[in-house]
Amino acid sequence: DAMVIQNPRYQVTQFGKPVTLSCSQTLNHNVMYWYQQKSSQAPKLLFHYYDKDFNNEADTPDNFQSRRPNTSFCFLDIRSPGLGDAAMYLCATSRGDSGGATDTQYFGPGTRLTVL
Amino acid sequence: ILNVEQSPQSLHVQEGDSTNFTCSFPSSNFYALHWYRWETAKSPEALFVMTLNGDEKKKGRISATLNTKEGYSYLYIKGSQPEDSATYLCALSGGYNKLIFGAGTRLAVHP
Repeated sequence: DAMVIQNPRYQVTQFGKPVTLSCSQTLNHNVMYWYQQKSSQAPKLLFHYYDKDFNNEADTPDNFQSRRPNTSFCFLDIRSPGLGDAAMYLCATSRGDSGGATDTQYFGPGTRLTVL
Repeated sequence: ILNVEQSPQSLHVQEGDSTNFTCSFPSSNFYALHWYRWETAKSPEALFVMTLNGDEKKKGRISATLNTKEGYSYLYIKGSQPEDSATYLCALSGGYNKLIFGAGTRLAVHP
């Protein structure tokens, strides 16, 4: 089945130690997204790629970076994780045609990040 | 800036009960409203996309309505089953390729 895969499902890192979360998709979608969801809060968009074009949200901290080496893979890098970065990180994809305004986004199961 | 509120935050019902919850927004300045269901340890799954005032969508025992004039959408579940237990997320398409989510309603259906 075509899907969005996130690895690992659970990640523990130490305060200040760089960590990378990965996402892959078999849907061949143009757009890939990263969301952060802190406990009981709304998922919040960090950034997205439309093909190779990177789009950062204005309030995404510089500590968060992303890479998309090809259509299928997208990575979230947290350069120096703080305690406040502990959250669920969701990857999603969408076709991106028709302007994307009504596109359905397809989500992975998320990576839960713990910062010690 | 779009703001999405969902209520209640959590809900407990008995198997067989029908239930509904609300997504509200202060402005109709968006392209579409989405409902997602997110079961524990699984991926959020799209339920409905609605774009027009008065839209109604249905999938099995679950249905949704959209009222852009008064700023709300309702999600209804008829005859709740334990497998309906999940967090239900509402999101607005605030611009191209951008979803703005509410915090969700966590539903628990007890046998």
